Amino acid sequence: QKEVEQNSGPLSVPEGAIASLNCTYSDRGSQSFFWYRQYSGKSPELIMFIYSNGDKEDGRFTAQLNKASQYVSLLIRDSQPSDSATYLCAVNPDQGGKLIFGQGTELSVKP
Amino acid sequence: ETGVTQSPTHLIKTRGQQVTLRCSSQSGHNTVSWYQQALGQGPQFIFQYYREEENGRGNFPPRFSGLQFPNYSSELNVNALELDDSALYLCASSLEAQGYSYEQYFGPGTRLTVT
Repeated sequence: QKEVEQNSGPLSVPEGAIASLNCTYSDRGSQSFFWYRQYSGKSPELIMFIYSNGDKEDGRFTAQLNKASQYVSLLIRDSQPSDSATYLCAVNPDQGGKLIFGQGTELSVKP
Repeated sequence: ETGVTQSPTHLIKTRGQQVTLRCSSQSGHNTVSWYQQALGQGPQFIFQYYREEENGRGNFPPRFSGLQFPNYSSELNVNALELDDSALYLCASSLEAQGYSYEQYFGPGTRLTVT
């Protein structure tokens, strides 16, 4: 079992819709969770982080964390073509040095 | 505020050669982490440097080594290059090495091609 799993996609949504990106992790002791956006040919850009169970909202983005189910998700409301990118879920398993990344989900927002 | 910078942008090397990649951390950040990202994959943790000491290492062989300098900039050295080392090498800086405030911010990356 991979430590951090994401559906590779592509996930295609129409402009203005809600995009839902999901991630599961294997280490039950993990404490902090991150979502990065990566445009083709560019480096990852941090868009959200969440440490506590529940929802965290920032503009059009909402991160949701359920530690009991070992599940973290990212919702993008009012999706725009500019949101088309690969979204990487990352987990810090032990408050130490490393982030463990999933392979990313490719999102395509169609005008 | 200055972001994370990396050099060079692109690099082509021959199998067996050695390479040094450089990273300057974001202003105020004392911790640098290095990642390798193969095409179509998520980044994989190589190691982290905190206050000039290695502070955690991923599953990479000893031919991957690094340094951090007093100004918190860092180098990644790879010896005896192999074809599978071809990847995007990412440097990320953060304010501290541990704890919940652990947001890591990436530089633009160095694209290494080994032929």
